[in-house]
Amino acid sequence: AQSVTQLGSHVSVSEGALVLLRCNYSSSVPPYLFWYVQYPNQGLQLLLKYTSAATLVKGINGFEAEFKKSETSFHLTKPSAHMSDAAEYFCAAKGNNDMRFGAGTRLTVKP
Amino acid sequence: KAGVTQTPRYLIKTRGQQVTLSCSPISGHRSVSWYQQTPGQGLQFLFEYFSETQRNKGNFPGRFSGRQFSNSRSEMNVSTLELGDSALYLCASSSGLAGDTDTQYFGPGTRLTVL
Repeated sequence: AQSVTQLGSHVSVSEGALVLLRCNYSSSVPPYLFWYVQYPNQGLQLLLKYTSAATLVKGINGFEAEFKKSETSFHLTKPSAHMSDAAEYFCAAKGNNDMRFGAGTRLTVKP
Repeated sequence: KAGVTQTPRYLIKTRGQQVTLSCSPISGHRSVSWYQQTPGQGLQFLFEYFSETQRNKGNFPGRFSGRQFSNSRSEMNVSTLELGDSALYLCASSSGLAGDTDTQYFGPGTRLTVL
């Protein structure tokens, strides 16, 4: 079964700065990969997903992620952080009908 | 299209009681998955229902059960509640037909507090 590791439980950036949230998967076969965002007291909202069609995936709200098989990574980036990006972000991997989530990264955006 | 709805949004129960949570998936979706989210354990998969049948199951005790109706609505039941069952319970719906590429869409969750 695959597992997902998110490096950094907390990330803090200034408004306008680059956002980089790290995700590594562990699987003998590259799984399908997802990034979700969760705002306080809400469910998870899909940001983007990788399904092998393209290694660079563009999502909503200006986020994108790049799949790198050699590094088993699927890091999430956004060129310029906005205050409204403050939330918790989850990376997830699905393979053989098994969906696994990372522990989450809480993003704080400073004015 | 309306999103995934979960009722109730908040619940307070005492130890030993049982509870039933409800989830209505996106129209046309046939798969409903349930997750438990806690600060300590994160997001953990409970089970998935597809066309009224349990298709996948996580590693939770038998006190946790579910079912799905012919209209794809699903319920989750927890019997003999324990303090550790306090959590946000999330429901996710998907078509159920696209295998591992199937995207799950989440509801707002039900916050269960066990006293």
